[in-house]
Amino acid sequence: SQTIHQWPATLVQPVGSPLSLECTVEGTSNPNLYWYRQAAGRGLQLLFYSVGIGQISSEVPQNLSASRPQDRQFILSSKKLLLSDSGFYLCAWGSTDTQYFGPGTRLTVL
Amino acid sequence: GQQLNQSPQSMFIQEGEDVSMNCTSSSIFNTWLWYKQDPGEGPVLLIALYKAGELTSNGRLTAQFGITRKDSFLNISASIPSDVGIYFCAGQGTNAGNMLTFGGGTRLMVKP
Repeated sequence: SQTIHQWPATLVQPVGSPLSLECTVEGTSNPNLYWYRQAAGRGLQLLFYSVGIGQISSEVPQNLSASRPQDRQFILSSKKLLLSDSGFYLCAWGSTDTQYFGPGTRLTVL
Repeated sequence: GQQLNQSPQSMFIQEGEDVSMNCTSSSIFNTWLWYKQDPGEGPVLLIALYKAGELTSNGRLTAQFGITRKDSFLNISASIPSDVGIYFCAGQGTNAGNMLTFGGGTRLMVKP
């Protein structure tokens, strides 16, 4: 069966510091991968998606970037965090007609 | 980006009551999905619908893919305290990357 992991689970970072969140998937090959952000009490905002290694599409222009160095690894990064980057970051993997979410990373920027 | 209209935004019900929530869109979707999110966790897929008019059940949950392909509803029968959480609908059309469009969520609170 497929499993999706995210780490860290929680993160507190100062404004201006760099960020690296990691997502890995097990049990499937060549999945579509997605990064979402969820503000407190709000819906899901798609940030990036990837249909293959090295292929990244950005949905929202901002100071975040994503990379897919391996088939089942998806990384969300920032060179300098802003206060507005705080939120709950969710990674998901998808087949043609469904998506399955990871446990999420709670990021607090102070 | 495009949004699905999900209602109600929140519900506070008594344990044992039935619950109904729905999503509507101005666009046609090929797939409708319903997720539940517990606090501090990722959304979990409850039901997937792939065909217009399809009615699918998962235990006490029943969901339908609207015949116009522009709406879907989710019913929960005989609610229990563990039904508490946020329920999201999501639709998938034809797009690169098989992206989903999400509703704003329905927050369900159940009073024991």
